Amino acid sequence: DSGVTQTPKHLITATGQRVTLRCSPRSGDLSVYWYQQSLDQGLQFLIQYYNGEERAKGNILERFSAQQFPDLHSELNLSSLELGDSALYFCASSVGGDKGEKLFFGSGTQLSVL
Amino acid sequence: AQTVTQSQPEMSVQEAETVTLSCTYDTSESDYYLFWYKQPPSRQMILVIRQEAYKQQNATENRFSVNFQKAAKSFSLKISDSQLGDAAMYFCAYRSAMSSNYKLTFGKGTLLTVNP
Repeated sequence: DSGVTQTPKHLITATGQRVTLRCSPRSGDLSVYWYQQSLDQGLQFLIQYYNGEERAKGNILERFSAQQFPDLHSELNLSSLELGDSALYFCASSVGGDKGEKLFFGSGTQLSVL
Repeated sequence: AQTVTQSQPEMSVQEAETVTLSCTYDTSESDYYLFWYKQPPSRQMILVIRQEAYKQQNATENRFSVNFQKAAKSFSLKISDSQLGDAAMYFCAYRSAMSSNYKLTFGKGTLLTVNP
């Protein structure tokens, strides 16, 4: 168990809908990262937050948004969902965002858009 | 932009034998980190080993070791005394130490099967 909690584990929804994925980092970790894993794109970095502030942005669509709350949990919001958004969404956390430090990954949220 | 290539989509090894997974990367930077992550059927990404580019010594973690060739931009993972629990998808990843971006760039992965 990595100590990173993601909910829900599975999510099935329809095109055009909006969903929220939740992540609780390990105790003491200030950085949260979101990644998307799909068969065609592989593992793609979406966004990173550090202590409530956005620190780095990757290939995140405009339909997607994220935030990190004062208690350090994070939410990834996906709206106007398309079939191609079906993927495994990972959250990871680390202590301080040092580039060499270890990332701890959650078990992911499997999103299926029908 | 950095890219990471894993040329072996699938590999297999006999239990107790040794296997080497290949990874090459492309970067113009001199300072960076390289990682190997394991993703078993449980889907969770687990860090196997980490290498700092400015360290010439190859990293080792128990049965796992790397062969880091900076000039060749090669970063292979050797698993010794393979165990059934080593069966998983293995991802090689790159992270810049120089840019402001903290992202990990992953390869497409190598699926390792361990035969009893």
